Amino acid sequence: DSGVTQTPKHLITATGQRVTLRCSPRSGDLSVYWYQQSLDQGLQFLIQYYNGEERAKGNILERFSAQQFPDLHSELNLSSLELGDSALYFCASSVEGQGSYGYTFGSGTRLTVV
Amino acid sequence: DAKTTQPPSMDCAEGRAANLPCNHSTISGNEYVYWYRQIHSQGPQYIIHGLKNNETNEMASLIITEDRKSSTLILPHATLRDTAVYYCIVSMFSGGYNKLIFGAGTRLAVHP
Repeated sequence: DSGVTQTPKHLITATGQRVTLRCSPRSGDLSVYWYQQSLDQGLQFLIQYYNGEERAKGNILERFSAQQFPDLHSELNLSSLELGDSALYFCASSVEGQGSYGYTFGSGTRLTVV
Repeated sequence: DAKTTQPPSMDCAEGRAANLPCNHSTISGNEYVYWYRQIHSQGPQYIIHGLKNNETNEMASLIITEDRKSSTLILPHATLRDTAVYYCIVSMFSGGYNKLIFGAGTRLAVHP
């Protein structure tokens, strides 16, 4: 157990639908990062939040949005889902930047769009 | 963030040392070298990091050249469980604006 909790672990939904992925960071970590990993693809950085504020954006589609709540958990919302959105979605957390222990990743949410 | 270059794949015999190279010729003075690995479809795992001195922990050793333009991750006694994709990344140590950018990494296969 890395200390970063992602729910649900698996999600199957239909095209056009909307889903919400949840991430609880490791205790004490202020930064949350979201990554997408499609089949046989690398890890693509989507977005970063730090203490409730958006800090950096990567290759995140306009159909996707995220937020970090006062208790520091984060949610990634994916809407108008397409088959190509099927992927593993990872959340990571850190105290601030990389720090002495780098990022701590969760075990991911596997999204399947049918 | 500086770009890194790694070989796409490597093989290693079980029990032998695995030496994974990484080039980061554009690294800046305040950037550290970090190594992560991803076993199958699990979340990436932090291994080790360093600035300019060699570092060692219970998982691996990190050798950084004097000019800091390249580094080598050493797994001293590779096991089958070390089969994974290894990522070399350069990033600042702290600051709330960091983001970790993964490249393609090196796919290490440890065989009996």
